[in-house]
Amino acid sequence: ILNVEQSPQSLHVQEGDSTNFTCSFPSSNFYALHWYRWETAKSPEALFVMTLNGDEKKKGRISATLNTKEGYSYLYIKGSQPEDSATYLCASGGFKTIFGAGTRLFVKA
Amino acid sequence: NAGVTQTPKFQVLKTGQSMTLQCAQDMNHEYMSWYRQDPGMGLRLIHYSVGAGITDQGEVPNGYNVSRSTTEDFPLRLLSAAPSQTSVYFCASSKEREQFFGPGTRLTVL
Repeated sequence: ILNVEQSPQSLHVQEGDSTNFTCSFPSSNFYALHWYRWETAKSPEALFVMTLNGDEKKKGRISATLNTKEGYSYLYIKGSQPEDSATYLCASGGFKTIFGAGTRLFVKA
Repeated sequence: NAGVTQTPKFQVLKTGQSMTLQCAQDMNHEYMSWYRQDPGMGLRLIHYSVGAGITDQGEVPNGYNVSRSTTEDFPLRLLSAAPSQTSVYFCASSKEREQFFGPGTRLTVL
């Protein structure tokens, strides 16, 4: 994998559903993996930065895991709420950070 | 702290015009960067700087110049604007991996 790829592109869920997204990144020369939350008309905000294989991070209902050997990370949202509606970006790299295109999450009340 | 600030918020240029997008941060971060955001393509790195006096190219540097004379400021210059540079531009700064983004500048080149 030469680029950072995210799937799915978009996701529609009902309030209360749990969901997860995937980020695939080049496993060679790995430095760090970032997850950002990006609401419409705002700036991206950092959720997690992970550096070690097997890392797991959690912030409230949102958590993320990292597998640097196979080059993927998962973001999980437990019990989705309408306010979770946003685009979730992942990015890999150090000084030259490469972003994925994002997963657009829509949570319906 | 104001964080990362960008000016202007909106700008319309004609093809061939030049302009500078301003970016400033008050968090004493060494690393600063510029991204452009286009539909379906996420954020693409234009240029970055690891400290005053040091800049380097990112993924899409053509048509843009940068300089870093102080830790606080990292302006992005468009020397001769082209319609392909119509985009939303974000500036970011970081100290230890976590990036803080400015509010963005929406640029339209006619």
